[in-house]
Amino acid sequence: LAKTTQPISMDSYEGQEVNITCSHNNIATNDYITWYQQFPSQGPRFIIQGYKTKVTNEVASLFIPADRKSSTLSLPRVSLSDTAVYYCLVGDIGAGGTSYGKLTFGQGTILTVHP
Amino acid sequence: DTAVSQTPKYLVTQMGNDKSIKCEQNLGHDTMYWYKQDSKKFLKIMFSYNNKELIINETVPNRFSPKSPDKAHLNLHINSLELGDSAVYFCASSQKGQDYGYTFGSGTRLTVV
Repeated sequence: LAKTTQPISMDSYEGQEVNITCSHNNIATNDYITWYQQFPSQGPRFIIQGYKTKVTNEVASLFIPADRKSSTLSLPRVSLSDTAVYYCLVGDIGAGGTSYGKLTFGQGTILTVHP
Repeated sequence: DTAVSQTPKYLVTQMGNDKSIKCEQNLGHDTMYWYKQDSKKFLKIMFSYNNKELIINETVPNRFSPKSPDKAHLNLHINSLELGDSAVYFCASSQKGQDYGYTFGSGTRLTVV
């Protein structure tokens, strides 16, 4: 799987928009980009997944440039409850994916939202 | 309704003991997994089962043995527990063709003393 690089930690304040960028220079043609969120003492939770351009759901937006070598998770108007670890993953695990279990988690980005 | 449930949530045991962790999913998914999260918070795949068939077995000691009686259950048995086995173990499930990722359980915190 393509290795990912993301900032170790980020700080923000309530109400701000937070953008977390992930680098994946070796992404393969069949790879999707997926983001997970993990709160303390809980399992990771799927946030969003995309292949190219922009994807938006009720929680976040995912921006993927044309070369797909990076992606940016955008969290609009964060609140204290968004304090968590955010993981960026790439792999052939999309709607047509076949890489069962090959989700490889990096160290993630610790996002701390301050009042 | 809990989608992926693991029991127990906490497990404290002595070195050398044998213990099991159970996992059940009610999502109708065809693939289940065991992940291990160590003290540095890295999540690593251990095993993956698709329709009761083992499809991924990462470099895990033979003391760890998964068992899938049916596609809704994936249990993890650990023999001769060692201090280094202390970690949080997560069960997860997925369905090929889905677009909402993997669903993880809330984890089992295993402490070996």
